[in-house]
Amino acid sequence: DQQVKQNSPSLSVQEGRISILNCDYTNSMFDYFLWYKKYPAEGPTFLISISSIKDKNEDGRFTVFLNKSAKHLSLHIVPSQPGDSAVYFCAAVLSGTYKYIFGTGTRLKVLA
Amino acid sequence: DAGVTQSPTHLIKTRGQQVTLRCSPKSGHDTVSWYQQALGQGPQFIFQYYEEEERQRGNFPDRFSGHQFPNYSSELNVNALLLGDSALYLCASSLEGVLQETQYFGPGTRLLVL
Repeated sequence: DQQVKQNSPSLSVQEGRISILNCDYTNSMFDYFLWYKKYPAEGPTFLISISSIKDKNEDGRFTVFLNKSAKHLSLHIVPSQPGDSAVYFCAAVLSGTYKYIFGTGTRLKVLA
Repeated sequence: DAGVTQSPTHLIKTRGQQVTLRCSPKSGHDTVSWYQQALGQGPQFIFQYYEEEERQRGNFPDRFSGHQFPNYSSELNVNALLLGDSALYLCASSLEGVLQETQYFGPGTRLLVL
């Protein structure tokens, strides 16, 4: 039972444009969401997070939006840069637990 | 300041064998989590260790066991290896009581079971 889903396995975007990565979840009890970026041969690196009591969090070029009624979150990268090319994972955390539940990832390619 | 380190980087085993993977957390961290990432999938939580005890476990069989040492380093043991255990095994460390986002991942150990 995949509780966190990333339905787009890959995405290509032109440099300077906006990248939008999407994530859907099924458990309304998740209270914290995170995005991680992963380069080949490296572990996932934390990017940005959002609490379920918020609907937006911004950090530089990265913004995460949370739509609780739709059980949907998205990561916006503006402007996209070639160095952003990586696999992006969304993850969710249940209150009172210690495990992250990850989606299957979206491979972003930013074209120069 | 060294981040999370894992050893070995790669490993090849045959079915039925046993394997031990090692993890050293980031300096100052006291909590270690282990994840399994199969090809094309996201990381899946195996378990978490804090104060040398397993305090939460994911949906993995008892063949997967672990240990945390007084210096906070950790081992993941897998017995009776199956072909399906082939994956990237990730270790993540964090500091108890700090926001979950400060979980730092190591580069992983890639295990191939033949």
